[in-house]
Amino acid sequence: KQEVTQIPAALSVPEGENLVLNCSFTDSAIYNLQWFRQDPGKGLTSLLLIQSSQREQTSGRLNASLDKSSGRSTLYIAASQPGDSATYLCAVIPNSGGSNYKLTFGKGTLLTVNP
Amino acid sequence: DAGVIQSPRHEVTEMGQEVTLRCKPISGHDYLFWYRQTMMRGLELLIYFNNNVPIDDSGMPEDRFSAKMPNASFSTLKIQPSEPRDSAVYFCASSFRRGHEQFFGPGTRLTVL
Repeated sequence: KQEVTQIPAALSVPEGENLVLNCSFTDSAIYNLQWFRQDPGKGLTSLLLIQSSQREQTSGRLNASLDKSSGRSTLYIAASQPGDSATYLCAVIPNSGGSNYKLTFGKGTLLTVNP
Repeated sequence: DAGVIQSPRHEVTEMGQEVTLRCKPISGHDYLFWYRQTMMRGLELLIYFNNNVPIDDSGMPEDRFSAKMPNASFSTLKIQPSEPRDSAVYFCASSFRRGHEQFFGPGTRLTVL
């Protein structure tokens, strides 16, 4: 059974700092990995999706990397801003073929960027 | 596109009552998912559909839960009878194809008293 772990559970940084959020998964046979952001009381917003054949994806100040062999992904946020404060979740889809499409989520990292 | 639409946004009901949550996926998306989020268990997949057909409902907690997708633009998640432990935020999400990004709705916050 796939398990996804995110460390740290919470992170507080001053504005302007570059930071890295970590995600690890137990089964390296994944189809893809997706990073989301969730603001309090809101739904999930998709940030980046990395296919299993890719090593990284970039969107603005965000860069996500994937190392399937070690079962790890990182989300790098450059020049953090108070508006980046949210919970960040990673999720993986298994590469089990067929129509299996179960997204397994980590518990998330609560990020606070202090002005 | 307006994104994934869910209704109601908030629902407060008493134990034993029937609850129906509604979802309209993004037009053209083949997959629809129902998730539940609680503090204790995080985000859990309850069921998902492909082209309106339920594919995997192994996450549905009990027979009290049922989901339908009568057409490509509408799905319901029903709880009958509801219990206090069903209190959670229920999300609907949709995706164009397998392996594509999943887009989430704003969720329905359910409170069962």
